[in-house]
Amino acid sequence: AQKVTQAQTEISVVEKEDVTLDCVYETRDTTYYLFWYKQPPSGELVFLIRRNSFDEQNEISGRYSWNFQKSTSSFNFTITASQVVDSAVYFCALSERRNTGKLIFGQGTTLQVKP
Amino acid sequence: GAVVSQHPSRVICKSGTSVKIECRSLDFQATTMFWYRQFPKQSLMLMATSNEGSKATYEQGVEKDKFLINHASLTLSTLTVTSAHPEDSSFYICSASGGADQETQYFGPGTRLLVL
Repeated sequence: AQKVTQAQTEISVVEKEDVTLDCVYETRDTTYYLFWYKQPPSGELVFLIRRNSFDEQNEISGRYSWNFQKSTSSFNFTITASQVVDSAVYFCALSERRNTGKLIFGQGTTLQVKP
Repeated sequence: GAVVSQHPSRVICKSGTSVKIECRSLDFQATTMFWYRQFPKQSLMLMATSNEGSKATYEQGVEKDKFLINHASLTLSTLTVTSAHPEDSSFYICSASGGADQETQYFGPGTRLLVL
């Protein structure tokens, strides 16, 4: 069965610290997509990244970086030099090709960055 | 990037009334739209998937007569909560996929529904 696990419910860091949000997934499909979304207090989900199962190359976008490892079924997200504006709930999600694009969400990790 | 709007952002209604929520893709044609419900401090729960011009596919446990979904055009889907009750109070979020990026869902800002 498909499943996404974000074991960290809440993380609190001080500004400028680096922080890694963990995501572990389960799927029987060989073709799938992984996503990260950010949900600030306003409520809107902001798309951050999509990775397909055939592309294990790590990605960096500014202070954000993602580490995709199929061997451990993980898709971790690191924020470097965190800022107060990074405070939000972050969701990892899985989409299977054969499942009409439905997203399976993790429970979310609440990140609080203190000044 | 792809922009999805939702209206209204907040609604308060009396028990027994119906509430309609609109979801629009502003700069792309959304072949598929999704409706989610989110309770405080919880993850998103998929309610239904709708494709333009066809009936919505509801997730197990979601009453289709209670939550009416219409996807009449490639840019508009509506969710109507019929005969709303206090337990229907929640945060409803829509998403859309289509256009150049078929695999990514872009989310609207959500609608907070409070039923008194």
